[in-house]
Amino acid sequence: AQKITQTQPGMFVQEKEAVTLDCTYDTSDPSYGLFWYKQPSSGEMIFLIYQGSYDQQNATEGRYSLNFQKARKSANLVISASQLGDSAMYFCAMNRQYAGNQFYFGTGTSLTVIP
Amino acid sequence: KAGVTQTPRYLIKTRGQQVTLSCSPISGHRSVSWYQQTPGQGLQFLFEYFSETQRNKGNFPGRFSGRQFSNSRSEMNVSTLELGDSALYLCASSPRDRVDEQYFGPGTRLTVT
Repeated sequence: AQKITQTQPGMFVQEKEAVTLDCTYDTSDPSYGLFWYKQPSSGEMIFLIYQGSYDQQNATEGRYSLNFQKARKSANLVISASQLGDSAMYFCAMNRQYAGNQFYFGTGTSLTVIP
Repeated sequence: KAGVTQTPRYLIKTRGQQVTLSCSPISGHRSVSWYQQTPGQGLQFLFEYFSETQRNKGNFPGRFSGRQFSNSRSEMNVSTLELGDSALYLCASSPRDRVDEQYFGPGTRLTVT
């Protein structure tokens, strides 16, 4: 079975500072994908970043980077230079690479950026 | 390119009624997945359709059903609504067998009274 764990229910960060949101996962599949989504109060899930289990390098997308440590089964999201608009819920998710698009989500981390 | 659209955005129903939600994926996307989001259970996978066939199914009772049409648009139906069905229902679409792309719609917020 697949499981995603996010242990930080809420996080605060000063504007312009960097913040790391933790995510650990559990799977016995050798091929999987790891994702981070942002959900503002409006409800829409916004795709941020993707990491494949066989990718050698950590994924980066603008101010977002994914710190992938396969042996530790962790996929932490790093947001650099936080902005007020980054305040939202953040969800870590995974899917099994050859089993369709069924995503398993963590419980989320609420990030608040302080001016 | 237009994003994933869901209709209606908000819905209020009475216990025992049934409801149908609609999802139009991004043009060219053939996979459509549905999720239920509640404060207590978080985000839970309902089912996925690909080329009009249900490819995956989550652990929900038979009151929850779905279908996909030849134009990839999808509907989900919930019969005999219960108070616990109140949730945000999210639809997501993906290109043909691309595991690194899944885009979500704005959701339908269903309230059951």
